Order: sequence, then C-alpha cells, then structure tokens
Amino acid sequence: NAGVTQTPKFQVLKTGQSMTLQCAQDMNHNSMYWYRQDPGMGLRLIYYSASEGTTDKGEVPNGYNVSRLNKREFSLRLESAAPSQTSVYFCASSGLRGQGTYEQYFGPGTRLTVT
Amino acid sequence: QQQVKQSPQSLIVQKGGISIINCAYENTAFDYFPWYQQFPGKGPALLIAIRPDVSEKKEGRFTISFNKSAKQFSLHIMDSQPGDSATYFCAAGSLGRLYFGRGTQLTVWP
Repeated sequence: NAGVTQTPKFQVLKTGQSMTLQCAQDMNHNSMYWYRQDPGMGLRLIYYSASEGTTDKGEVPNGYNVSRLNKREFSLRLESAAPSQTSVYFCASSGLRGQGTYEQYFGPGTRLTVT
Repeated sequence: QQQVKQSPQSLIVQKGGISIINCAYENTAFDYFPWYQQFPGKGPALLIAIRPDVSEKKEGRFTISFNKSAKQFSLHIMDSQPGDSATYFCAAGSLGRLYFGRGTQLTVWP
C-alpha cells in the first residue's frame, strides 16, 4: 500500500517547455487534488477532481491543465512553463470517512524549477 | 481573499514547553478543521482534526481547541520535543475542499 505516489521527484524546465506531473493513489479514493506550495504562502489548490470524470478549478488554475485518467490517476500539465511556476507541487487524495470527514493524504511532492 | 489566517509565522519553544498555534476562518459553512505537520522535503501529514460540534479534541500531546462563535481554532502541543520541530498548517473546509493557512515553522530547542 504505497498511498499517494508522484513522479518525477525533481524537474528543471526552461521557459516555454511543457511537462506533465503524474499522480496515482491506491486507497480507492474518489477525490484527488493538485496543490502548489511556495514559501510563506501555504498550500494553494490548483485543480481538484471530486470523482472520476469531473475536474474543477481551485484558487490558482491559470497556466495549468489536469486530466483524471481513471479513479487512481490524476495528472497536472504545464503547457508552457514560466518562472512563476517554480514551486513544489503536491498531489493529494481523499475519501469520505466517518462523520462526513474527508481526510486528505498527500504525496511526497515534485520540486519544479523553471529557468 | 485569504480564507484561513494562521499565526504566528514562526515559533521557538524550549523542550518541555507548550507550543500554541492559532487560526481564524471566515466562512461559516466550513465543517472540517484539520492540522497538518510537514518535515523538510516531505509532504504534509495529517496530525489531528476536529469538527465544529465539539470544542476540544485531544490525541496524545496534541490538542485542538475550537471556538465556533469566534471562528477560531488552535493547536496546542504539550511537552514539546525537538522531534516536533516542523512546519504546521491549519486548514478549514467542507465537502472535501480545504483552504490552508500559510504555516507556522516550529523550532523546539533542547
């Protein structure tokens, strides 16, 4: 039971390049999320998927696209990377637990630098 | 607009002392209030969480105090240890979506 896995762990891109961050979970969770973490800014939601086949914008969606490939996998794509997208990206998943709570479990993160 | 405000930004506590981190929220529809702990180079890990129908929840040395009327909640770490040195995030939300505070970097010195 690996929980939430992310690939790659590190990535360096040049401005204008594209890439896809991969995320998979093995907890049979319905919901999945992509966050970015910047110093002093906490975790900000980029996109989320409440269930397979649905995606919604979060607080900072500009410059990103997502795909919920199946129940297990949720990818984040940068079509044309910009230095402002230098950040640590976290994927998370959650499922409905007792008392209606949704506990989110995070992956180890992808550290992205755009030069 | 920041949905969850967290303070202090950094905190230094002596070993054995009490660490207190505070958060405030605006949206009265929020019904789930977790705290996450993050070590350098790792993803955030759920530490403890509370729902608004209780005023306090304790798990070991960690306690959440919740004040619904003031729209505030706090994390208390009793008998703080050097191994507790990490960044702590509060969050609030509903229906699975969370809004995070900006984090508190806790340092516990021996």
